[in-house]
Amino acid sequence: QKEVEQNSGPLSVPEGAIASLNCTYSDRGSQSFFWYRQYSGKSPELIMSIYSNGDKEDGRFTAQLNKASQYVSLLIRDSQPSDSATYLCAVISSGSARQLTFGSGTQLTVLP
Amino acid sequence: GAVVSQHPSWVICKSGTSVKIECRSLDFQATTMFWYRQFPKQSLMLMATSNEGSKATYEQGVEKDKFLINHASLTLSTLTVTSAHPEDSSFYICSAKIFTGTDYEQYFGPGTRLTVT
Repeated sequence: QKEVEQNSGPLSVPEGAIASLNCTYSDRGSQSFFWYRQYSGKSPELIMSIYSNGDKEDGRFTAQLNKASQYVSLLIRDSQPSDSATYLCAVISSGSARQLTFGSGTQLTVLP
Repeated sequence: GAVVSQHPSWVICKSGTSVKIECRSLDFQATTMFWYRQFPKQSLMLMATSNEGSKATYEQGVEKDKFLINHASLTLSTLTVTSAHPEDSSFYICSAKIFTGTDYEQYFGPGTRLTVT
């Protein structure tokens, strides 16, 4: 079983719609969760971090965390073509190394 | 967010030569930096964890004698690809971990695209 799982997509949504990206993780002791955006040919960019159960909003982005279900999601409201990218879910493990474990990413395309 | 730079952004070298990639944290001190490699249409693969003042920790399957890592200061880590071969052509990305006061966040450099001919 992969430690961090994402639906690879591709996910296509029309401009202005809500894009919903999902992620599950296997390490129940994980405490830190992140969403990165990676444009083609570029390095990942941190867009959201979340540490507590519930919702965290930042502009058009909302991260949702449910530790009981080991589930973290990212909602993008009013999606724009410029949001088209691969979105990587990442989790810091509970071990001493505390290094990021990435999902394989979900490719999002926002259609004009 | 914190800023991480890499140099060079791209490099072409001949097979058998060595290439050095620099990673710098510009506005913070990073006791821990990470080196990743990414092949086209694949996810990031962690190569090694670099700790200032100590030896790097390499992931399974990564040759430590081929990929030399030096974390000489709290703001600089270098990756040297020795005796490069065409199969080493990839996108190399460094990352630095920063403590926010309550937890850790990790920021990435812009990456270095290596092509070995």
